[in-house]
Amino acid sequence: GQQVMQIPQYQHVQEGEDFTTYCNSSTTLSNIQWYKQRPGGHPVFLIQLVKSGEVKKQKRLTFQFGEAKKNSSLHITATQTTDVGTYFCAGPENRDDKIIFGKGTRLHILP
Amino acid sequence: DSGVTQTPKHLITATGQRVTLRCSPRSGDLSVYWYQQSLDQGLQFLIHYYNGEERAKGNILERFSAQQFPDLHSELNLSSLELGDSALYFCASSVGASVSSYEQYFGPGTRLTVT
Repeated sequence: GQQVMQIPQYQHVQEGEDFTTYCNSSTTLSNIQWYKQRPGGHPVFLIQLVKSGEVKKQKRLTFQFGEAKKNSSLHITATQTTDVGTYFCAGPENRDDKIIFGKGTRLHILP
Repeated sequence: DSGVTQTPKHLITATGQRVTLRCSPRSGDLSVYWYQQSLDQGLQFLIHYYNGEERAKGNILERFSAQQFPDLHSELNLSSLELGDSALYFCASSVGASVSSYEQYFGPGTRLTVT
């Protein structure tokens, strides 16, 4: 079946360093969403990408959707302790009624 | 605060028992989704309701069932519980019927522990 994979599973970075997580789908996606879950919290919607090659920025976060609409990335510039958490990508499965979440990338910031 | 409420926050029960988890969506949202989150499986989509009708089923076991009531709140029923059902159960809501066209607002979750 359709799969959405994220790498890396874990990432430890020094505060101030950059961080990137990658999301790859086994099939073409009509769109992709990104969520952040703080430790002990619930997932919170960050952004949705729809167009091939789309790039969106939110302050220090840059989101990209691949040209083939099968991969996406989230890049954080100059990480801060507030960036700690797990970042999930999610894409629709075939029809629009189901959604598949990647297993997430857990970001840990070293002070 | 997402505006989505879930009760109870924690639930501890024994194997073989049945429990009901409750979710109230954000005001104005017609879709409710249920997810199971365990350490090794990430977020697993269980089921989606839109305005009282079932829209899609994911990896939901036959021992699990759900429904959405006319006032749009939803309940997830888990029966014949097994140790492996211990997990965090999230409810999410969105305004539209299409799961990928609208952002989802997640509730705080119910942590279920089966002993």
